[in-house]
Amino acid sequence: GESVGLHLPTLSVQEGDNSIINCAYSNSASDYFIWYKQESGKGPQFIIDIRSNMDKRQGQRVTVLLNKTVKHLSLQIAATQPGDSAVYFCAERTGGGNKLTFGTGTQLKVEL
Amino acid sequence: DTGVSQDPRHKITKRGQNVTFRCDPISEHNRLYWYRQTLGQGPEFLTYFQNEAQLEKSRLLSDRFSAERPKGSFSTLEIQRTEQGDSAMYLCASSPDRRGEKLFFGSGTQLSVL
Repeated sequence: GESVGLHLPTLSVQEGDNSIINCAYSNSASDYFIWYKQESGKGPQFIIDIRSNMDKRQGQRVTVLLNKTVKHLSLQIAATQPGDSAVYFCAERTGGGNKLTFGTGTQLKVEL
Repeated sequence: DTGVSQDPRHKITKRGQNVTFRCDPISEHNRLYWYRQTLGQGPEFLTYFQNEAQLEKSRLLSDRFSAERPKGSFSTLEIQRTEQGDSAMYLCASSPDRRGEKLFFGSGTQLSVL
């Protein structure tokens, strides 16, 4: 079946730098995307979401970009902090569906 | 808003035993979801409820698994005759949205089957 996947399993960045986490999806019928952050021993925490009729959405220090032409989603974190260290998941909802399908995840490590 | 609460946080059981997990969603959230997560993987959908009605079940949910949400508030997930392959983190999430967006997750129940 179609699935959501991530390009990089681990991303290391220096504190203060910007981070970019990428996600590829293959279901062109997906109409909603969402990013979650998961720290060790905790459940996924909502970061930001975007609908397929948008290309970009900004939050506090985070930006999500959606490129439907190449079926690519990215999460940008500005001025990365040690507290940003976690696993990041992208998830999609296929049009008309009622559940989110998650990708594998990217481990973000922030180096001091 | 106290968030989604799950109990217990950890459960160790022997193969063949039955286990039951509880989830208390955020108040007034109509939708409640169960997901399963294994180490290094993203959460996998198991089932979801709209109020007390169970509307969809994944093929991952074998007949040993049963979920209920009797009064449209808290939910339970029972696994009968546990197997070692059932070892995973079981996550509950709730959503106020009828379209299944923006799920709020609990901290999960970590199940270890020996």
